[in-house]
Amino acid sequence: SAVISQKPSRDICQRGTSLTIQCQVDSQVTMMFWYRQQPGQSLTLIATANQGSEATYESGFVIDKFPISRPNLTFSTLTVSNMSPEDSSIYLCSVKTGGYYEQYFGPGTRLTVT
Amino acid sequence: GQQVMQIPQYQHVQEGEDFTTYCNSSTTLSNIQWYKQRPGGHPVFLIQLVKSGEVKKQKRLTFQFGEAKKNSSLHITATQTTDVGTYFCAGATNAGKSTFGDGTTLTVKP
Repeated sequence: SAVISQKPSRDICQRGTSLTIQCQVDSQVTMMFWYRQQPGQSLTLIATANQGSEATYESGFVIDKFPISRPNLTFSTLTVSNMSPEDSSIYLCSVKTGGYYEQYFGPGTRLTVT
Repeated sequence: GQQVMQIPQYQHVQEGEDFTTYCNSSTTLSNIQWYKQRPGGHPVFLIQLVKSGEVKKQKRLTFQFGEAKKNSSLHITATQTTDVGTYFCAGATNAGKSTFGDGTTLTVKP
């Protein structure tokens, strides 16, 4: 398993601004992911954060809107750029360890855009 | 693309009753995982099923993987109030990516 922390835990932002969310893992992990979850909804994968290279984005998500960094095997950031109220959601970082498929999630960042 | 469907969306039970949620994939899976998300919390990994027809138990929870590796179920015997939450399945293909179902939200009336 892995212990994951996220900062901030919540934020209220004005439209047009950007917010960077940090994800820190207590051990080196092979894969890190960023998800979005609307209240009462399922998890939508935004992108896979690749160490040392550009993130791999899912359909409907683009780098200009959600730039991601992963400078090492324990840390990643997701930036939500030029925010609008539609970006209000919970953003979750998750990791896979080794060759297993199970994922471990961070506590999430609750973002409200006004 | 791959789709993973879960039913029912909501289930309300009296404490002590059984509960089952079903997960169906549009494609054959290499494995399936189950997660539980408590209200206000984040998803927590419960179990992974890999083999065709596999059955695994965790106390009152029984997980099954279909013979064709396209469906799965989670059954809870004699529900307790601590079982409340949303249960998600996530199906993985050989490409390595997992697709989450929409979840089943369980409420338990004491």
